[in-house]
Amino acid sequence: DAGVTQSPTHLIKTRGQQVTLRCSPKSGHDTVSWYQQALGQGPQFIFQYYEEEERQRGNFPDRFSGHQFPNYSSELNVNALLLGDSALYLCASSLEGRYNSPLHFGNGTRLTVT
Amino acid sequence: GNSVTQMEGPVTLSEEAFLTINCTYTATGYPSLFWYVQYPGEGLQLLLKATKADDKGSNKGFEATYRKETTSFHLEKGSVQVSDSAVYFCALILHSGNTGKLIFGQGTTLQVKP
Repeated sequence: DAGVTQSPTHLIKTRGQQVTLRCSPKSGHDTVSWYQQALGQGPQFIFQYYEEEERQRGNFPDRFSGHQFPNYSSELNVNALLLGDSALYLCASSLEGRYNSPLHFGNGTRLTVT
Repeated sequence: GNSVTQMEGPVTLSEEAFLTINCTYTATGYPSLFWYVQYPGEGLQLLLKATKADDKGSNKGFEATYRKETTSFHLEKGSVQVSDSAVYFCALILHSGNTGKLIFGQGTTLQVKP
């Protein structure tokens, strides 16, 4: 049973560029959430996707956008990269309707903006 | 607002020592509480959880009790091992929300020496 998988594992981009990160949820899960974890900090909620729509959003600018596909996989897009976007980006999946069920996290994508 | 505060690390212990990592929270609603662990180079794994006051979550020798009167959820283990070295995150989710939006503390690094 495959868990949450993310790609790529590492990425280096230049300020001003755009980046796309990808996530496949755990088998049987239909909801995907994205988090940003800056070095030495706890993860911060970016947004959540369910039924191919953004359902909740944290305090992140519109440069951060996403998409969910019919197979429940998801992408996170960041435009006009800033140095401060350097972080570990974590994807987590869950099953809708079970609010106390635990999130399953992937190992993350380490983004470095130079 | 809703927030989680953890004791600052790093916490350095010798093998078989007793561990306590303090966690307190502020919540406008009635949260569920979680401890997640992050090993180097990996994503977050759920360690234990508690969904209502006086519940005790436990797993792998770790325990935490949901204390509503002190708004706390301190993590304890009676005898730590070198393999417990990791970053530990306390987190909450509000019952009025859905599964995805966890609010994390800043994390506490545990180093266990042989």
